[in-house]
Amino acid sequence: DVKVTQSSRYLVKRTGEKVFLECVQDMDHENMFWYRQDPGLGLRLIYFSYDVKMKEKGDIPEGYSVSREKKERFSLILESASTNQTSMYLCASSGTSSQKNEQFFGPGTRLTVL
Amino acid sequence: AQKITQTQPGMFVQEKEAVTLDCTYDTSDQSYGLFWYKQPSSGEMIFLIYQGSYDEQNATEGRYSLNFQKARKSANLVISASQLGDSAMYFCAMREGPDQAGTALIFGKGTTLSVSS
Repeated sequence: DVKVTQSSRYLVKRTGEKVFLECVQDMDHENMFWYRQDPGLGLRLIYFSYDVKMKEKGDIPEGYSVSREKKERFSLILESASTNQTSMYLCASSGTSSQKNEQFFGPGTRLTVL
Repeated sequence: AQKITQTQPGMFVQEKEAVTLDCTYDTSDQSYGLFWYKQPSSGEMIFLIYQGSYDEQNATEGRYSLNFQKARKSANLVISASQLGDSAMYFCAMREGPDQAGTALIFGKGTTLSVSS
C-alpha cells in the first residue's frame, strides 16, 4: 500500500522557535510538495521538489525553507515560527510514469504557534 | 483571478440521492489535468477521479463521475447514490500544462458535503 507519512499529527511551538516538519514517501516518487491548508482558502503551495536537492518556490514561500537530501524525504522548515503560521500542513508526492500522476497525501500536521 | 472556482461552500443531500459538486477552471493551456479529492474530518486527502483535457469521454470511478464540459471550462463531480460516508470536504484541482516533473496542483477552496439519513 502506497504511503506518505508525516512526523507529527499535532505540534505546538512557541513564537521564534525553529520548526521542522518531516515527510517521507515509500513510492520512489520524484516529486514532493508542501501545502498549507487554512479554512476558506483551500490548499496553497509552499514549496515543491522534483528531484533530490532541487526545490522550487510555490505561491507562499515566505517564512519557510525546505530540504531534500534523499529522494524519499522532504522537510519543511520554519526558521522562526510566527503565529500566522498556525495551520494544517500537508505533504504530497507524485510520480512521472502515467498520464494522471495523481498526488498522494500524508495525514497532515496541525501546527499551532503560540 | 482564481484558477479554480468552487461556488458551493456547503451542500446537503439525503442518502441514496445523487449530488453534483461544481467546479470551473481558468487556463490558457491546451493540455491540463483536472482532479477531485475528498477530505474527511480525519484530514487525509483521498484522490477520487482524474480527467485529462484531451480525454473525450467523461471519467468515471465507481459512484463518482466527472462531468467535463471543456468549452464551458467546467469539471463537475457527480456522486451517485450518496452514502453517509460521503460526508466530507471535496476539492477540485488542476494541473496546468502536460505533466512534467514537479508540476504542482492548483486547488479550489472546497465544498463541504453533508449526507443525512
